[in-house]
Amino acid sequence: GQNIDQPTEMTATEGAIVQINCTYQTSGFNGLFWYQQHAGEAPTFLSYNVLDGLEEKGRFSSFLSRSKGYSYLLLKELQMKDSASYLCAFMDSNYQLIWGAGTKLIIKP
Amino acid sequence: DSGVTQTPKHLITATGQRVTLRCSPRSGDLSVYWYQQSLDQGLQFLIQYYNGEERAKGNILERFSAQQFPDLHSELNLSSLELGDSALYFCASSVAGQPGNTIYFGEGSWLTVV
Repeated sequence: GQNIDQPTEMTATEGAIVQINCTYQTSGFNGLFWYQQHAGEAPTFLSYNVLDGLEEKGRFSSFLSRSKGYSYLLLKELQMKDSASYLCAFMDSNYQLIWGAGTKLIIKP
Repeated sequence: DSGVTQTPKHLITATGQRVTLRCSPRSGDLSVYWYQQSLDQGLQFLIQYYNGEERAKGNILERFSAQQFPDLHSELNLSSLELGDSALYFCASSVAGQPGNTIYFGEGSWLTVV
């Protein structure tokens, strides 16, 4: 079967670093996406990983280990505007996106 | 601005009624997706179209239907509405639903059923 899991909620401090983990199980894999969603707004694309390793984009980085079925999103120098939900999703062998329930990140001053 | 346009942005209707939500994908995108998101819930995939044909179906109720027209815009029809159908409905589009094709979301249509 297929499933994907990420923590429901995390809290971090402004200026700090936070890592949001995502684990998945699937027989067919065509990459993993991370999206950011502010409350009541549309999800916006952050990153896509299809090969193992770390992809860095400014303050945000995403890591993938296909053998472990594991990804994380790393957010550095946290700002209050980073308070949002972070959604991970993998693309299966039928090119369908399987979404996690999202991790609500709360940033405290 | 993702380039995906959804109308209406807000809609309030009564139980038992029928509504149509409209979506125009980004220029050049052939694939359209519909998602439902209830308050504080995750994204629930409803249905995907590719170049006018249904490609995948998720947890879409029989009361709901969708189609993609030759000009690639799509409509989601919700009928016999119930209070539980109140949610934010997102349309998203991508080039072709292939590996690495990012999907881009519209701003959503807020549906309130009273």
